Amino acid sequence: GAGVSQSPRYKVAKRGQDVALRCDPISGHVSLFWYQQALGQGPEFLTYFQNEAQLDKSGLPSDRFFAERPEGSVSTLKIQRTQQEDSAVYLCASSKGPPQSTDTQYFGPGTRLTVL
Amino acid sequence: TQLLEQSPQFLSIQEGENLTVYCNSSSVFSSLQWYRQEPGEGPVLLVTVVTGGEVKKLKRLTFQFGDARKDSSLHITAAQPGDTGLYLCAGDNYGQNFVFGPGTRLSVLP
Repeated sequence: GAGVSQSPRYKVAKRGQDVALRCDPISGHVSLFWYQQALGQGPEFLTYFQNEAQLDKSGLPSDRFFAERPEGSVSTLKIQRTQQEDSAVYLCASSKGPPQSTDTQYFGPGTRLTVL
Repeated sequence: TQLLEQSPQFLSIQEGENLTVYCNSSSVFSSLQWYRQEPGEGPVLLVTVVTGGEVKKLKRLTFQFGDARKDSSLHITAAQPGDTGLYLCAGDNYGQNFVFGPGTRLSVLP
């Protein structure tokens, strides 16, 4: 399909483990966003990229969270030394224009992370 | 910190009823978006409202942006079970950031 894909769809980690979540945006989309959605809540912004440049990472909750998009397409969100409070759905979205353009964001299905 | 509040938090109605959900903030937004999210899926954009006082209709859904661009409402006429889902509003702060509300979880019973 031509939509945003994320993998894995589900991830269970033991507390203290590192995890890596992958996002494949729509081909050609300039902007890529990561959000964290806790159970029963709306998505909360984590970070965004314009091509390979990470323009805003103000939403990352701690220095255990790291995101990259080295070639301006696929992105990886890495969480080190996972904690139980990291349990959430992690959503990725992409849009055609730069982040400031307010182009429609297309969301992937998310990765549900459970930290035991 | 900009916050968006949504009400009600939960709504359960019978098929055929009308309903309105609200999205409120003390902040002004350059635009406001409404999404619907179903279990196991990401949010899907329904509409973007930009101009204060703007009204947009999408079949049985009517969206209104407040004159001051701080609040919005979504009205559904003759709700159907297929309307069931989490309705999220999101405000755009002039391209600087994007803030979601906590959502209204709607259940339409047949």
